Amino acid sequence: QVTLKESGPVLVKPTETLTLTCTVSGFSLSNARMGVSWIRQPPGKALEWLAHIFSNDEKSYSTSLKSRLTISKDTSKSQVVLTMTNMDPVDTATYYCARIALGAFDIWGQGTMVTVSS
Amino acid sequence: QSVLTQPPSASGTPGQRVTISCSGSSSNIGSNTVNWYQQLPGTAPKLLIYSNNQRPSGVPDRFSGSKSGTSASLAISGLQSEDEADYYCAAWDDSLNGSNWVFGGGTKLTVL
Repeated sequence: QVTLKESGPVLVKPTETLTLTCTVSGFSLSNARMGVSWIRQPPGKALEWLAHIFSNDEKSYSTSLKSRLTISKDTSKSQVVLTMTNMDPVDTATYYCARIALGAFDIWGQGTMVTVSS
Repeated sequence: QSVLTQPPSASGTPGQRVTISCSGSSSNIGSNTVNWYQQLPGTAPKLLIYSNNQRPSGVPDRFSGSKSGTSASLAISGLQSEDEADYYCAAWDDSLNGSNWVFGGGTKLTVL
């Protein structure tokens, strides 16, 4: 059974750096043509893609947030890590990680809610 | 403002057929495949349709997708109360500014 689970702080202060971890099971981060993406959803709003990383270490970032994001993976730990710098209250959202397969986000984690507030 | 345009709401009665549209451009829907996601209240999104019209294992055949030019549609036939959810379309966007996955603004489906 394929699962993904997000973990990280519930609350961060403005200007701080957010670090989120996605721990996967049921598949390997070295599987060809598979990757992991981070997607977020502010309360009551639409989904927004942030970044992805593939098995060959190919990375891509949202054009609008590229300067603030870094994605990396540790295949041995089955983890994908996203860092977002200079957090602002508008970054308050539920952050999801999702597996990329079939050219889509085929399996999603349950999400983790992050609030940015002083 | 989402790159892909969806109607904010849709509704139907049990048993009816409902369609949800998704409009894009040549840099996204016009040149890449479309995926659809269902998000039940308080839960994570779930893949409903991939590659324009393919259903993942376990998705009922009441759900179908289509694409023409720079637009796509999701159709739900035999509407059921458990279909009440938010629906999002998504596609890869290759523009001069850079490449991104883009989503629609979501359509809230109400089963009357």
